[in-house]
Amino acid sequence: GAGVSQSPSNKVTEKGKDVELRCDPISGHTALYWYRQSLGQGLEFLIYFQGNSAPDKSGLPSDRFSAERTGGSVSTLTIQRTQQEDSAVYLCASSLERSFYEQYFGPGTRLTVT
Amino acid sequence: KNEVEQSPQNLTAQEGEFITINCSYSVGISALHWLQQHPGGGIVSLFMLSSGKKKHGRLIATINIQEKHSSLHITASHPRDSAVYICAVRDNYGQNFVFGPGTRLSVLP
Repeated sequence: GAGVSQSPSNKVTEKGKDVELRCDPISGHTALYWYRQSLGQGLEFLIYFQGNSAPDKSGLPSDRFSAERTGGSVSTLTIQRTQQEDSAVYLCASSLERSFYEQYFGPGTRLTVT
Repeated sequence: KNEVEQSPQNLTAQEGEFITINCSYSVGISALHWLQQHPGGGIVSLFMLSSGKKKHGRLIATINIQEKHSSLHITASHPRDSAVYICAVRDNYGQNFVFGPGTRLSVLP
């Protein structure tokens, strides 16, 4: 079946603009995760959803970042008033449930803020 | 001190060699993951462990909960194994992930 998909694959935006990144998880996966990887850096956990709720938003780097998930499926990560330090690859993953199931990663969205 | 450490940071091996990558962590965990990030950036989950040992093909992962240590072994390494291998631990509540810095492996033909 289809894997995790993300869109757009690449996004170039001007500093100060808002961007929305989309993640389509594998059908039936109730847990969804957002990560980011800055150039030359390791992976950073941002937020996870169980169904439509996000029990812990503490990984979001600032209040300019928000995420939502509707219908237990698609999720959007929104970055408001983008800054150059937001440039990174944003990765989404999904799994059957939280905690003890394998995660399947999407291809990522490469965000460049100019 | 980082919560998750990996060694070595970089590793170059000749094809056919047995490879070991180590991961140490300092927090209580519910599970540990080994991820493989290909040169193109795609990430694949290799293993998820909460105890003992798992094997998949030429890959073996072990974890020692008491010592807070995990190892990833690659037998009969091949150039296509060249990638960054990342250790990630999930906290006791099963929510947050903490990632190691990764080990960059290059297998030469």
